[in-house]
Amino acid sequence: GAGVSQSPSNKVTEKGKDVELRCDPISGHTALYWYRQRLGQGLEFLIYFQGNSAPDKSGLPSDRFSAERTGESVSTLTIQRTQQEDSAVYLCATGNRGMDTQYFGPGTRLTVL
Amino acid sequence: SQQGEEDPQALSIQEGENATMNCSYKTSINNLQWYRQNSGRGLVHLILIRSNEREKHSGRLRVTLDTSKKSSSLLITASRAADTASYFCATDAGNDYKLSFGAGTTVTVRA
Repeated sequence: GAGVSQSPSNKVTEKGKDVELRCDPISGHTALYWYRQRLGQGLEFLIYFQGNSAPDKSGLPSDRFSAERTGESVSTLTIQRTQQEDSAVYLCATGNRGMDTQYFGPGTRLTVL
Repeated sequence: SQQGEEDPQALSIQEGENATMNCSYKTSINNLQWYRQNSGRGLVHLILIRSNEREKHSGRLRVTLDTSKKSSSLLITASRAADTASYFCATDAGNDYKLSFGAGTTVTVRA
């Protein structure tokens, strides 16, 4: 594809429900990042995947958050038992090792009621 | 925690004027990047400056880096309405992948 795509673009859910967000990377990009951006704030790093290496999960805020990626393909970010403070835009970015620039998807706006 | 801090938080200028925003950071870096975000969605990479560079240009953008002061500036010359966006600096502190973003400067260009 031409760029990083994310789905859904918007998600409204009720407190306590689980949600799954999807990121389709640029073909050939080995690195994939998830970020969270709360309203009016900067980006918080959540998790990083690089090829088949163990992911860096150091940014995940709680054990309710998890992410998976198989090889260099699609990634899913799962939030279990959502809370209102999880409301944010979740951004995915991809790149390659040795390439400093990250290419961002359009994000998923999550609203937890 | 955020490594970079942008200043000012918000900026409103007339079309045709220049816009300048600053970024300060705390630890040594390999490079510093500036990104633009329209309407709270995906970020677009604008320019990267390495720690051994002092100034870089790209079209109407000029970036400076002062590693002794741990600061960078982004200048947008001859601003246009389409430049209305939030601008973020991001630093690479040397672990080869993790960028730290500031909270951003929101720029409004009035026609």
